[in-house]
Amino acid sequence: KNEVEQSPQNLTAQEGEFITINCSYSVGISALHWLQQHPGGGIVSLFMLSSGKKKHGRLIATINIQEKHSSLHITASHPRDSAVYICAVNSGGSNYKLTFGKGTLLTVNP
Amino acid sequence: KAGVTQTPRYLIKTRGQQVTLSCSPISGHRSVSWYQQTPGQGLQFLFEYFSETQRNKGNFPGRFSGRQFSNSRSEMNVSTLELGDSALYLCASSLGGRGPLFSYNEQFFGPGTRLTVL
Repeated sequence: KNEVEQSPQNLTAQEGEFITINCSYSVGISALHWLQQHPGGGIVSLFMLSSGKKKHGRLIATINIQEKHSSLHITASHPRDSAVYICAVNSGGSNYKLTFGKGTLLTVNP
Repeated sequence: KAGVTQTPRYLIKTRGQQVTLSCSPISGHRSVSWYQQTPGQGLQFLFEYFSETQRNKGNFPGRFSGRQFSNSRSEMNVSTLELGDSALYLCASSLGGRGPLFSYNEQFFGPGTRLTVL
């Protein structure tokens, strides 16, 4: 079993829909990251959080430490949100070693 | 402020050769981490350097090595290349200190080097 599990693996939505991507982890962590990767490879860090909730524009990330679960929400989705979203955690007592989920491929159709 | 840069962006090598990839972090960042991304395994941590010292290491064979220079630039080397080493190699930089500031953990990724081994 992977230390970091994401669901769903693939997600197709219509423009304007509310989207949720889930991440569960099985180890103690110091931080959880949500990353976005567009075709071509570049990765952008969207959020880094250790508790509660963070919001940047239409993106919201939440984490429940007790349940070892995090969600990434996208409100009013747009075709430019189409990308792979990756959950990653700092674990094992190290602040600089990331363990990644397999990613969720999001396609938003106009 | 300039972002993380990686050179070269694309590389084709043959089995048995060795390769060196370079990463220049954001100015002021002292930690550089390296990752391998393949379609089968996804993203995997290779190693992390801070102040010219390897501080963390992933589960990769000794053919994979790295170093960091006094200006925080980092290189990774793969010797005796195998077909399975074909991947996107990403580096990320962060402030890297051990202080209480959570922001030290935030990583900024470079565009990656796509290595193809024939």
